[in-house]
Amino acid sequence: DTAVSQTPKYLVTQMGNDKSIKCEQNLGHDTMYWYKQDSKKFLKIMFSYNNKELIINETVPNRFSPKSPDKAHLNLHINSLELGDSAVYFCATAPGASGGELFFGEGSRLTVL
Amino acid sequence: SQQGEEDPQALSIQEGENATMNCSYKTSINNLQWYRQNSGRGLVHLILIRSNEREKHSGRLRVTLDTSKKSSSLLITASRAADTASYFCATAAIVGAGNKLTFGGGTRVLVKP
Repeated sequence: DTAVSQTPKYLVTQMGNDKSIKCEQNLGHDTMYWYKQDSKKFLKIMFSYNNKELIINETVPNRFSPKSPDKAHLNLHINSLELGDSAVYFCATAPGASGGELFFGEGSRLTVL
Repeated sequence: SQQGEEDPQALSIQEGENATMNCSYKTSINNLQWYRQNSGRGLVHLILIRSNEREKHSGRLRVTLDTSKKSSSLLITASRAADTASYFCATAAIVGAGNKLTFGGGTRVLVKP
């Protein structure tokens, strides 16, 4: 069983479209994150949820909206996609919010044409 | 700007040699972590060193932390071809109700057989 699974793994879409990426974890962790990795491999935190509550919201365009329907799921919806949104999006989890190690999914590579 | 900055950006060594990479950061931290990312995969946690620790070992990995210089180093001894990957440092700091893990741009390590 994959501990942190993301779908889809690859997504190719046109500018202006709306798309979602889903993340599910079976580790029983309380905290989930979305990170964006650009073409130069820089990883930037986008959002963090703890027990379904948004606790970190970095300066991200409001076209990006995270949703946590329950503790095991964190989805990312992106409206009006732009070329600059092309990146690999990683979901990660942690047992709590106290600064321990993160467990990453395999990433979702989004390409906007 | 990135909290952690790795140096060098890329490293090429022969199997059996040691690989050393450095990480510098700017603000106070609770701990510093190192992660590894194989091409096309998610990040995997390697080691965590707390702000009150100076050195930590795990197998062939040795991490040092100098909080006065705001820097850390990761040493991989007796490298193997399978160590070929990107290595990222990440600094952990509590932000509001959450833990924020901020990553550097990574060091790409190539171990030649």
